[in-house]
Amino acid sequence: GESVGLHLPTLSVQEGDNSIINCAYSNSASDYFIWYKQESGKGPQFIIDIRSNMDKRQGQRVTVLLNKTVKHLSLQIAATQPGDSAVYFCAENPGGTSYGKLTFGQGTILTVHP
Amino acid sequence: IAGITQAPTSQILAAGRRMTLRCTQDMRHNAMYWYRQDLGLGLRLIHYSNTAGTTGKGEVPDGYSVSRANTDDFPLTLASAVPSQTSVYFCASRGGIFGYTFGSGTRLTVV
Repeated sequence: GESVGLHLPTLSVQEGDNSIINCAYSNSASDYFIWYKQESGKGPQFIIDIRSNMDKRQGQRVTVLLNKTVKHLSLQIAATQPGDSAVYFCAENPGGTSYGKLTFGQGTILTVHP
Repeated sequence: IAGITQAPTSQILAAGRRMTLRCTQDMRHNAMYWYRQDLGLGLRLIHYSNTAGTTGKGEVPDGYSVSRANTDDFPLTLASAVPSQTSVYFCASRGGIFGYTFGSGTRLTVV
């Protein structure tokens, strides 16, 4: 999950396990959240998103959960594969005059061992 | 292939030099953004543009300037580069309410 400092949180799993990556967001007015995957040397790649009027959304092998009470977001990856190894970021879209200007979390390094 | 093109892919720049990072999109998105990415700090917004002809400051705008003369291009200029601007720079665009697309990034080293 998120933490302050220079060291990214890390998660190591075995191939086939389920992975859960956590994120705490800061702005209670944020109305849209996105999870991105970033592989080495590449730009962020969209995984899944969720609007603030939902608490769960499922995609292919991925599920995002949103808990607005505690401002917490999680990404669940089912049957994790070596190709899932990457840095995962959550991003929030603030409301009001800051709409559209994503604020990113620090990121979590996911390593999947064969 | 529709998307965002950034150039150069990497650059080593002497401190004090001027540098422009290029960003071009072919999706006709109105909104465009520049982020910098530093290890442990995630992506931070430098400048943005909601539509051609308008720009705004993000979280870390000092030392950078942008222009948006047309819909497709959104260049980022470092007027006088400093070592603290060593980073990976990502350009992004947004179509509609959602749907952000990111470029592949420019890795800049200021020495």
